[in-house]
Amino acid sequence: SAVISQKPSRDICQRGTSLTIQCQVDSQVTMMFWYRQQPGQSLTLIATANQGSEATYESGFVIDKFPISRPNLTFSTLTVSNMSPEDSSIYLCSVEEMGQTFYGYTFGSGTRLTVV
Amino acid sequence: GQQLNQSPQSMFIQEGEDVSMNCTSSSIFNTWLWYKQDPGEGPVLLIALYKAGELTSNGRLTAQFGITRKDSFLNISASIPSDVGIYFCAGRGTGGFKTIFGAGTRLFVKA
Repeated sequence: SAVISQKPSRDICQRGTSLTIQCQVDSQVTMMFWYRQQPGQSLTLIATANQGSEATYESGFVIDKFPISRPNLTFSTLTVSNMSPEDSSIYLCSVEEMGQTFYGYTFGSGTRLTVV
Repeated sequence: GQQLNQSPQSMFIQEGEDVSMNCTSSSIFNTWLWYKQDPGEGPVLLIALYKAGELTSNGRLTAQFGITRKDSFLNISASIPSDVGIYFCAGRGTGGFKTIFGAGTRLFVKA
């Protein structure tokens, strides 16, 4: 399965600032996914990032707040903009494991963000 | 929209006991996935299920894809302290790759 390096692993940020999270995969993947996991909650998909096209955002998430880059098939970034304490969450990137069929998702170790 | 109901929300058990958790939905899924998340880590895939009625094991873990395609369960036999964590089910729906995660079952194992 793919190996995903995500950084930073954690950060404490001032409200009103922005943080960019990086996700590096050790193999080329078509789609990368960004999730948010609020404290004690499940995983919520923010957006799907395809190389060479605009990211597709889920309901409740907008590009101005969570801009995403996908410059190549192994790398993506998620920026959390103009942060407020409500943005304090774990942010996870993920890739599909595909062969002849779908095998599941592999996740990075996450970025634990605290906004003060 | 599609939702998954995962239960129980949490479990406190003694080492050596068996554990069972399940997920149900009003929607049909093509794939069921079971993940475990340790503190400070991302979820790790335990078992993937691809067709109705499928029963798959991974060591002490066994999971089944319900025949209605609307539910799945995960059993852990002879629990050990390292089984502590949050277990998530996930259903991958029809018509594309969108996957929905359950709210998680928090497992606590007392040695």
